[in-house]
Amino acid sequence: EAGVAQSPRYKIIEKRQSVAFWCNPISGHATLYWYQQILGQGPKLLIQFQNNGVVDDSQLPKDRFSAERLKGVDSTLKIQPAKLEDSAVYLCASSLELGLTYEQYFGPGTRLTVT
Amino acid sequence: DQQVKQNSPSLSVQEGRISILNCDYTNSMFDYFLWYKKYPAEGPTFLISISSIKDKNEDGRFTVFLNKSAKHLSLHIVPSQPGDSAVYFCAASSSRAGSYQLTFGKGTKLSVIP
Repeated sequence: EAGVAQSPRYKIIEKRQSVAFWCNPISGHATLYWYQQILGQGPKLLIQFQNNGVVDDSQLPKDRFSAERLKGVDSTLKIQPAKLEDSAVYLCASSLELGLTYEQYFGPGTRLTVT
Repeated sequence: DQQVKQNSPSLSVQEGRISILNCDYTNSMFDYFLWYKKYPAEGPTFLISISSIKDKNEDGRFTVFLNKSAKHLSLHIVPSQPGDSAVYFCAASSSRAGSYQLTFGKGTKLSVIP
């Protein structure tokens, strides 16, 4: 079974530029998550989708971050314009369904450096 | 305000000995707890979980203990192996929050010395 795929793996941009990350979850997984992991911290949930609907985006900085999951499969996360403090690893995860006991499977992440 | 705390950034243990990783939480709504393991340049992988109706869950060399009154959980690895060297994250969730989102601690880096 293929895991969660993310691209690119690494990205370096200057502040005020825009960037987009792509995630392909495990086939059949209804729930998709985007996390931000700043160096030395644990992952922090940014947004959560159930199929193509948003379940929770309370921690997403909506003035600069946006995410979509068209057709309930792939997802993209965009930052526009980027700030220095956005430097982090962006992790995508998916689970079969929404619920406590449904394991979240993580992708390898995209490491973003904003200079 | 950190709701899940892992106060030890790192831990070194000899191969074959017991590794004990600790985690504290402050939110009384949390009723499900998980441990994830992360190798460099990889995403976290699920290790073991425990529901608040239990005080212990065991899976092979890994055991998680939950003390609800103290809002404390611990992960025991026995015996520790060099391949266990990784960063371990404690996470918590609530069945009463419709999103079931995970709140993670900062992680503890475990080094198992051969």
